Amino acid sequence: GESVGLHLPTLSVQEGDNSIINCAYSNSASDYFIWYKQESGKGPQFIIDIRSNMDKRQGQRVTVLLNKTVKHLSLQIAATQPGDSAVYFCAETSNSGNTPLVFGKGTRLSVIA
Amino acid sequence: DGGITQSPKYLFRKEGQNVTLSCEQNLNHDAMYWYRQDPGQGLRLIYYSQIVNDFQKGDIAEGYSVSREKKESFPLTVTSAQKNPTAFYLCASGFRSLNIQYFGAGTRLSVL
Repeated sequence: GESVGLHLPTLSVQEGDNSIINCAYSNSASDYFIWYKQESGKGPQFIIDIRSNMDKRQGQRVTVLLNKTVKHLSLQIAATQPGDSAVYFCAETSNSGNTPLVFGKGTRLSVIA
Repeated sequence: DGGITQSPKYLFRKEGQNVTLSCEQNLNHDAMYWYRQDPGQGLRLIYYSQIVNDFQKGDIAEGYSVSREKKESFPLTVTSAQKNPTAFYLCASGFRSLNIQYFGAGTRLSVL
């Protein structure tokens, strides 16, 4: 989930369990959303995206769900592995291509082996 | 080897000094972006450029300057007016018609 302040919300999961990371986006006009994964000391990596005409999109071991009614986005990671430990950011924008992404504050995922 | 290259990886700034962070991409992307990331925080947009010789301020442009003389390059100067420059700086690029941004490995700037 999202929070204000210096400390990222943290989600701890057991290896092999499923993870669900939540994001509340702010702009009701946003119609394109991306999830990024950032490992310590590295730049964010693209994971998966979704447009507002969809409510679900699946990738390899990941699923993104979009609920436009409550402006909520979630990232589900199946069979979480130690390599999934990272900070996960959601980002929103309009689909015009001319509006920069707005990033959420991130959630730290810690996988317990 | 294609991608987005940021240099240096670590940079130290003395009081009153301007420093320049390099960002180069060979992906033929139109748009380039600079973000600042503080510990435990999200990414905040400093400047972005969608075409050569044009750029726009982001949310926290004060104390920074950029140029976009070539499509491949978007250097960021942290000026002496930026009183709290210690942060992790990330450069990104993408096609203007799409919204996906791809990131470099970052430059960590510290003040001596």
